[in-house]
Amino acid sequence: GDSVTQMEGPVTLSEEAFLTINCTYTATGYPSLFWYVQYPGEGLQLLLKATKADDKGSNKGFEATYRKETTSFHLEKGSVQVSDSAVYFCALSGAGRRALTFGSGTRLQVQP
Amino acid sequence: DTGVSQNPRHKITKRGQNVTFRCDPISEHNRLYWYRQTLGQGPEFLTYFQNEAQLEKSRLLSDRFSAERPKGSFSTLEIQRTEQGDSAMYLCASSLGDMNTGELFFGEGSRLTVL
Repeated sequence: GDSVTQMEGPVTLSEEAFLTINCTYTATGYPSLFWYVQYPGEGLQLLLKATKADDKGSNKGFEATYRKETTSFHLEKGSVQVSDSAVYFCALSGAGRRALTFGSGTRLQVQP
Repeated sequence: DTGVSQNPRHKITKRGQNVTFRCDPISEHNRLYWYRQTLGQGPEFLTYFQNEAQLEKSRLLSDRFSAERPKGSFSTLEIQRTEQGDSAMYLCASSLGDMNTGELFFGEGSRLTVL
């Protein structure tokens, strides 16, 4: 079945550091890929998405590129801020599925 | 604020009791999802409604679990004869269109603790 594997956290960075959170997936066909973010005390919200190979999703300075050859969708940001501290979830929607399959989440802590 | 609303936010119950959670989606959204999340894990899909029709159920949804969405508006998730393994955060999400073109909007969740 479909699955998503994320790097374990927590990831602790200083403000303005470069961020990478790795995400790889297993799915049949051509899934759509997503990053959701959960800020403290809030519900999950969509950060970015990509629906086909080589697409790049971007939002709020975050980027991720759909790499079919490596089945990856790594999240990157050039300069993190304290306000980016949150839990980040990689997810996919497989062909013909109505539900998202989530990874286990990666907690990011950004220190001033 | 007209986001997804879930009640109660936290429920503590004794093993064997029944509990019910309610989700009020964003008003114009026709699709509604229930997920379960345990500590340190990502959300796991439970069930999905399009309007009032329950179109998909996960094998995680045992016969002790039942979900309804009468009239295609709010939804309830009932767990009968609760077990300690049911302790988790129950998340509701709604969307207007297909998740590939649209976006899931999540509520803050209902946390269940079974003693």
